[in-house]
Amino acid sequence: QLQLQESGPGLVRPSETLTLTCTVSGGSIASTTYYWGWIRQPPGKGLEWIGSIYYSGTAYYNPSLKSRVTISVDTSKNQFSLKLSSVTAADTALYYCARRVRAFDIEAREVGYFDLWGRGTLGFVFS
Amino acid sequence: QSVLTQPPSASGTPGQGVAISCSGSSSNIGINTVNWYQQLPGAAPKLLIYSNTHRPSGVPDRFSGSRSGTSVSLAISGLQSEDEADYYCAVWDESLDGLVFGGGTKLTVL
Repeated sequence: QLQLQESGPGLVRPSETLTLTCTVSGGSIASTTYYWGWIRQPPGKGLEWIGSIYYSGTAYYNPSLKSRVTISVDTSKNQFSLKLSSVTAADTALYYCARRVRAFDIEAREVGYFDLWGRGTLGFVFS
Repeated sequence: QSVLTQPPSASGTPGQGVAISCSGSSSNIGINTVNWYQQLPGAAPKLLIYSNTHRPSGVPDRFSGSRSGTSVSLAISGLQSEDEADYYCAVWDESLDGLVFGGGTKLTVL
């Protein structure tokens, strides 16, 4: 049974970089079937997609966060990571990693979905 | 403000049916398929419906999805207390070139 587990320092100061890692167990991250993504949820609010990455390293980012986000993958460790720079209090959220089924329709449009989620880890920005 | 509009709340009594809507536009729901996620209190989201109408293995057939134009709907029949959760729609938006979530609907089973 494949599982995802987020980890990383939960506390960062404003203007610093939040770094989180997602470890995939029970299966290989180097699969042509999946992307691997990050989603966040501020306290009491809804879900926001941060970005997704393919095992080859090709990444896709939320345009609203793109200037501050880097997602990378380490297939040797079966992990992928999130770096969010220049954080503010607005970046305080529960950060989830998830597996996204890689699917396209006949017109090559993205029609995938997140089928497996980690339990989430809190990223708290404090001054 | 999300590009996908969901009602903030919905409710029903046990055994009843309820529908949750998600309204988008021609750049998202109008051309791409929608997924629904259920988030129970204190838990991570879980895939409920994918590709507008498909249920993953293990999801009861009380849950169903439909699409009409630039809107989709999640229907839950025979409401149970354990259905009390937040529900989110999600779809790829071609104009934004990114994945967008609806604001979420909190379902209360009275």
